[in-house]
Amino acid sequence: NAGVMQNPRHLVRRRGQEARLRCSPMKGHSHVYWYRQLPEEGLKFMVYLQKENIIDESGMPKERFSAEFPKEGPSILRIQQVVRGDSAAYFCASSPDSDQPQHFGDGTRLSIL
Amino acid sequence: GEDVEQSLFLSVREGDSSVINCTYTDSSSTYLYWYKQEPGAGLQLLTYIFSNMDMKQDQRLTVLLNKKDKHLSLRIADTQTGDSAIYFCAESLRSSASKIIFGSGTRLSIRP
Repeated sequence: NAGVMQNPRHLVRRRGQEARLRCSPMKGHSHVYWYRQLPEEGLKFMVYLQKENIIDESGMPKERFSAEFPKEGPSILRIQQVVRGDSAAYFCASSPDSDQPQHFGDGTRLSIL
Repeated sequence: GEDVEQSLFLSVREGDSSVINCTYTDSSSTYLYWYKQEPGAGLQLLTYIFSNMDMKQDQRLTVLLNKKDKHLSLRIADTQTGDSAIYFCAESLRSSASKIIFGSGTRLSIRP
């Protein structure tokens, strides 16, 4: 039973480019969460999605960031016009239901040149 | 407010027990978690405890929860070099079960 799969593991972008991060939840999990980890810090919640719906985006920056979880395919976290401050590790987690423990992927480490 | 705090560093001798402590502020937590993160890797769910429990034991791991003091601890018995990692304490809230609030992590190092 594969765990949460994230790709790419590492992503390098220049300032102003777009970054797309992908997350495939564990089999049977329809709830997906995105977190951001800045260097030497804990994880901060960004957004919670359930198939085709954004349930809670209270941790998402208002501009440049968006997330989706289509009916078919992985969840995507999209960052437009990236800036240096977007450099971080982005983790995806999934759960079978909102009140069940979340299982995390290995993360995507985004570096902005 | 929502806040989870833990000390930044812990050093123990190989074979001794490690105790990592955590305090939280929101009394409406549902689950409390311990995650392990090795360098360059993702988070591994080590163990979790439901908020109506006091203790949970799983092989070398013992979790103690003191709801009155809002204090959570993780004890690792017979600490090994492979236990070197950052350990994150976290909670999910009844008011917002969707998101987990993380502490800043405790870096555990093992002395020979």
